[in-house]
Parts: sequence; C-alpha cells; structure tokens
Amino acid sequence: ETGVTQSPTHLIKTRGQQVTLRCSSQSGHNTVSWYQQALGQGPQFIFQYYREEENGRGNFPPRFSGLQFPNYSSELNVNALELDDSALYLCASSLFSAPGAGELFFGEGSRLTVL
Amino acid sequence: AQSVTQLDSQVPVFEEAPVELRCNYSSSVSVYLFWYVQYPNQGLQLLLKYLSGSTLVESINGFEAEFNKSQTSFHLRKPSVHISDTAEYFCAVTRVYNQGGKLIFGQGTELSVKP
Repeated sequence: ETGVTQSPTHLIKTRGQQVTLRCSSQSGHNTVSWYQQALGQGPQFIFQYYREEENGRGNFPPRFSGLQFPNYSSELNVNALELDDSALYLCASSLFSAPGAGELFFGEGSRLTVL
Repeated sequence: AQSVTQLDSQVPVFEEAPVELRCNYSSSVSVYLFWYVQYPNQGLQLLLKYLSGSTLVESINGFEAEFNKSQTSFHLRKPSVHISDTAEYFCAVTRVYNQGGKLIFGQGTELSVKP
C-alpha cells in the first residue's frame, strides 16, 4: 500500500512568484485535503477535492487554488506569494464516505519559504 | 463553527512518568474528535479517535483519551511515557456527518520526555 507522497519537500520562492505543490494520494482514497501549517501552529484547512471538484474551503483567498486529477492526485497552486505564505503545506487523503471522514492520512509536507 | 483549545503549549516530563495533554473544544453540533501526533520533520499520524460508543478510546502504543461531553474535553493520557513519545500532539475536531477532510486543529502541545 503506497502512502501519501508530496513534492517538492522544500522550496524557496520570492514575493510575488507563483508555486505549485503536488500530492499523490494513498491507494484507494478518493479525497484530497490541503492544510497550511505555519511555524508553531496547528494545521489550517485550505480546501478539499472530491471527484475533481472543490468540496469545501477554509478561510483562504482565491490566489490559493487547486486541482484533482482522475487518478486522485492533486496540486495546490499559490499565486502572488506573500511572506506570510511561508509554511509547511500538508496534503492528506481519505475516503469521502468513511465514517467520521476525518481519518486523514498525511504526507510529510512541502516546506515553502517566501523571501 | 467549531474550535479547539489545547491548554498547554509545552509539557516536559521525565521518562516513565504519567502525562496528560489537555484539549477542550467548542461546537454547537455533535462532533468527532481526534488526536494526531507529529514527529520531527514528518507529517501527522492519527493516534486515536472518538466517533461514537465508549467514551474511552485507546491507541496501540498505550495512549488513551476520554470524551467528556459535559466538559467539552478530550484529554490525552499515558500512564508511563517513553523517550520515543517526544513529539507534537494535535487535538482536532470535525462535525458529525462532515463528508471529507475538514478538521479543525488545536495549536498543538509539544511533549518532551527527558531521561
């Protein structure tokens, strides 16, 4: 069974640039969620994708966008990067219909630094 | 809306001592509750969860948590900790019937086990 994998693991961007982060979900999972974890904070929900559509969004501006592909992998795109976007970005996969639906399987994250 | 408060940001403890990590939540609807653990430079792993039934839930590595609806708490306990338990612990909540991965996390508690 393949777990959740994310790429890249680390990256550095400058303010105003754009970034794309990638995630492969765990085998058999059909839902992908993205979280932002700032240093010393708990993860914050960005959005979730199911059946290739956004299915729930947290309090993040439209410059945070995403995609889900037919194989359930996903991308997180962030435009016009700001210094406060520096964080660990976590991808999590799950089964949409699972009881509780909150048993998320997390990747190790992509650490973004914005200079 | 739901919210989670972890009452201690850091908990230092000696090996083989008992520990309690406190978590309180706020919600106007019924919720599911979770504890996740994050080891250094890794993603989050589910430690245990409360969905329904017995209010005392246990993990395979000796942790337990008790759902207390009247006090809106879900404290995590272990009678005897090991060095390997050193990690960040996150309490999380999602509303019942929530389809998908929107979890609300607390700020985290850093458990540091000293020899």
